[in-house]
Amino acid sequence: DQQVKQNSPSLSVQEGRISILNCDYTNSMFDYFLWYKKYPAEGPTFLISISSIKDKNEDGRFTVFLNKSAKHLSLHIVPSQPGDSAVYFCAASEGATGAGSYQLTFGKGTKLSVIP
Amino acid sequence: ETGVTQTPRHLVMGMTNKKSLKCEQHLGHNAMYWYKQSAKKPLELMFVYSLEERVENNSVPSRFSPECPNSSHLFLHLHTLQPEDSALYLCASSQGIAGGPSQETQYFGPGTRLLVL
Repeated sequence: DQQVKQNSPSLSVQEGRISILNCDYTNSMFDYFLWYKKYPAEGPTFLISISSIKDKNEDGRFTVFLNKSAKHLSLHIVPSQPGDSAVYFCAASEGATGAGSYQLTFGKGTKLSVIP
Repeated sequence: ETGVTQTPRHLVMGMTNKKSLKCEQHLGHNAMYWYKQSAKKPLELMFVYSLEERVENNSVPSRFSPECPNSSHLFLHLHTLQPEDSALYLCASSQGIAGGPSQETQYFGPGTRLLVL
């Protein structure tokens, strides 16, 4: 049973346009959400996060929106650049699980291709 | 982010071999994690260590044996693996007990690509 779902395995966007990546979750105990970006042959790189007490967090070209009632979050990239082409993972945490450690539950990822 | 390093980057081993994966974090974090990433699957959490104590073992077969000698180093000892264990093994760390949601952010190493023949 997947608690974090990214239903679009891939997305193609023209350079300069907006990229919108979506993520749905089922566990109402999740209180912290993250987006990671992954290039081939590299580990995931932390991109941006949002706490459940907020509905929006912005960092440069990246904005994450959280809709708790719909159990949905999205990542907006504006403007999209060819270097943004990568796999994007959504992850969620329900808080500390043991002595300050946290377990993240990941989605399967969405491959974004930004076309020049 | 070069705060988490992993060696080796690539490993090919036979089913009877014994090998170890090494992870080192230079971020002053208190928690470290091992993940497995197989093709077409989400990242699967294997082990969690916090302050050098194992706090989670997600039903991982005993042919995988973790070791955390100190808060900066994490090992994954491998023996008698199966071909289906071939995957990308990722190490991550997080700040741990520090207050605030940012401590939940995990930072990943580049991974070890393992092939079991």
